[in-house]
Amino acid sequence: EAGVAQSPRYKIIEKRQSVAFWCNPISGHATLYWYQQILGQGPKLLIQFQNNGVVDDSQLPKDRFSAERLKGVDSTLKIQPAKLEDSAVYLCASSPSGVSVDTQYFGPGTRLTVL
Amino acid sequence: QKEVEQNSGPLSVPEGAIASLNCTYSDRGSQSFFWYRQYSGKSPELIMFIYSNGDKEDGRFTAQLNKASQYVSLLIRDSQPSDSATYLCAALYSGGGADGLTFGKGTHLIIQP
Repeated sequence: EAGVAQSPRYKIIEKRQSVAFWCNPISGHATLYWYQQILGQGPKLLIQFQNNGVVDDSQLPKDRFSAERLKGVDSTLKIQPAKLEDSAVYLCASSPSGVSVDTQYFGPGTRLTVL
Repeated sequence: QKEVEQNSGPLSVPEGAIASLNCTYSDRGSQSFFWYRQYSGKSPELIMFIYSNGDKEDGRFTAQLNKASQYVSLLIRDSQPSDSATYLCAALYSGGGADGLTFGKGTHLIIQP
């Protein structure tokens, strides 16, 4: 079974530029999550999708971050404009149905550096 | 505000000994707890989860949950150098369909050969 795919793996941009990340979850997984992991910290949930609907985006900085999951499969996360403090690894995870004990499987992440 | 607290370490344990990792959580509504292992530069991988009070064993790993004390632990028996990694404790509060994980900062574990 193929895992969660993410691209690009690395991205370096200047502050105030825009950037987008892509995630393809495990086939058949209804729930998709985006997490931000700053160096030395644990992942922080940014947004959760159930199929193509947003379930939780309470920690998403909506003035600069946006995300969508068209057709309930792939998802993109965008930052516009980027700030220095956005430097982090952006992890995408998926789970079969999102029930409380479902395992969340993480992708390899996209490491973003903002200069 | 949901919080998960872990000692960041590093925790140094001799090879073959038992490594004990602990975390506490703030939200009594949290229902399930997960331990992830993360090697440097890699993504988190699930070791095990627990949602009932008591112990749960899986090979060399034992998770312990005490809901009254809001305390979760992970024991690693017969520690190996390959167990050296950061261990992330996470709590799940499922409400209204939202069930993203709240992670601690992680404990850096070093197994000394």
